[in-house]
Amino acid sequence: DGGITQSPKYLFRKEGQNVTLSCEQNLNHDAMYWYRQDPGQGLRLIYYSQIVNDFQKGDIAEGYSVSREKKESFPLTVTSAQKNPTAFYLCASSPLPGGEAFFGQGTRLTVV
Amino acid sequence: GEDVEQSLFLSVREGDSSVINCTYTDSSSTYLYWYKQEPGAGLQLLTYIFSNMDMKQDQRLTVLLNKKDKHLSLRIADTQTGDSAIYFCAESIGEPGRRALTFGSGTRLQVQP
Repeated sequence: DGGITQSPKYLFRKEGQNVTLSCEQNLNHDAMYWYRQDPGQGLRLIYYSQIVNDFQKGDIAEGYSVSREKKESFPLTVTSAQKNPTAFYLCASSPLPGGEAFFGQGTRLTVV
Repeated sequence: GEDVEQSLFLSVREGDSSVINCTYTDSSSTYLYWYKQEPGAGLQLLTYIFSNMDMKQDQRLTVLLNKKDKHLSLRIADTQTGDSAIYFCAESIGEPGRRALTFGSGTRLQVQP
């Protein structure tokens, strides 16, 4: 089936450690996005990529890094510099920049 | 989500109509979207409207767009308990070729049986 897959669904991290969240899509979409969702808040854009080997910072990029080496994959690394990383992370893709976005099921990251 | 505003909560009785409102900021957005999020899940696209339309109907869903006031609404007819979820409106912002969706804070719809 075509879709967008995030893994793992739940992730626990100790303070001071980096962690990488996986996002893979087989929809042949050029654009991919990472959003962060906190309780009672909307989605905030972390990073986005419109094409392979190119990506841009969103509204809250500090403490995060990404890569886009393949069209299908857009992993997000939450670094130790991110002061409050506990959140629900959503990955999305769209056929065109800023177009209809298709979402994965999310990864819930908890720092312990 | 500061660019897109929504009320946070709406409670209706089963069978009634629900109306969820949204104001947006970027008049150049070509499409405006409504998404639904169930607990612990990703977002699911419900419907969208092209910016040169005033209204779009899709089964129980009606979207109204007032471009002058930058106001978007989603009406759900005959609301069911399965409609209980968080609803997000979204607009596309940014430079051409580098656009991304900006979301409101979401409206939590609670449907009372």
